Amino acid sequence: QVTLRESGPALVKPTQTLTLTCTFSGFSLTTSGVCVSWIRQTPGKALEWLARIDWDDDEHYSPSLMARLTISKDTSKNQVVLTMTNMDPVDTATYYCARTVYTTLDFDSWGQGTLVTVSS
Amino acid sequence: DVVMTQSPLSLPVTLGQPAFISCKSSQSLVYTDGNTLLNWFQQRPGQSPRRLIYKVSNRDSGVPDRFSGSGSGTDFTLKISRVEAEDVGVYYCMQGRHWPLTFGQGTRLEIK
Repeated sequence: QVTLRESGPALVKPTQTLTLTCTFSGFSLTTSGVCVSWIRQTPGKALEWLARIDWDDDEHYSPSLMARLTISKDTSKNQVVLTMTNMDPVDTATYYCARTVYTTLDFDSWGQGTLVTVSS
Repeated sequence: DVVMTQSPLSLPVTLGQPAFISCKSSQSLVYTDGNTLLNWFQQRPGQSPRRLIYKVSNRDSGVPDRFSGSGSGTDFTLKISRVEAEDVGVYYCMQGRHWPLTFGQGTRLEIK
């Protein structure tokens, strides 16, 4: 059974760095074609893809946020970590991680999401 | 970025009636292997998105057969043949062909 679970702070202050962890089970990020993405959903409900890390260590980023994002993986712990610098209130959103298989079959499994509020 | 435009944005439907959601992409979604990378997701209230359809017309495991996807190139449709109460939620199309991956704005389905 495939599961993903996001964890991280519920509240961050403006200008701080956000670190989110996606802990998964039921699959391995060493398997060819397997990838994990981060996606966020603003209170207005729009879904925005942020970044993806692949089984072969390739990394992909949203151009609009690339300067602020870093994605990494720890295959021994079955975790993917996203850091986002210089947080702003407009970054308030629910952050999800989701799996891709065979490189192009995107988001067949999602985590439950974690709500991050940016406020002083 | 590839823009995904859904219509309508709000869809009131009578129980048992069909529903159609349109999704148009600003660029072709045909991949180098010939597949078209267009997916549909359902998000019920208070839940995470769930994939319903991948590569235009392939239903995910456990998805009722009243859901079907069609289309090609830049023009796609999600059809629910007979809407049930559990279908209430927001539906999103998403393209996986071009970086960055992008979603439509969402279509809110409600029961009339």
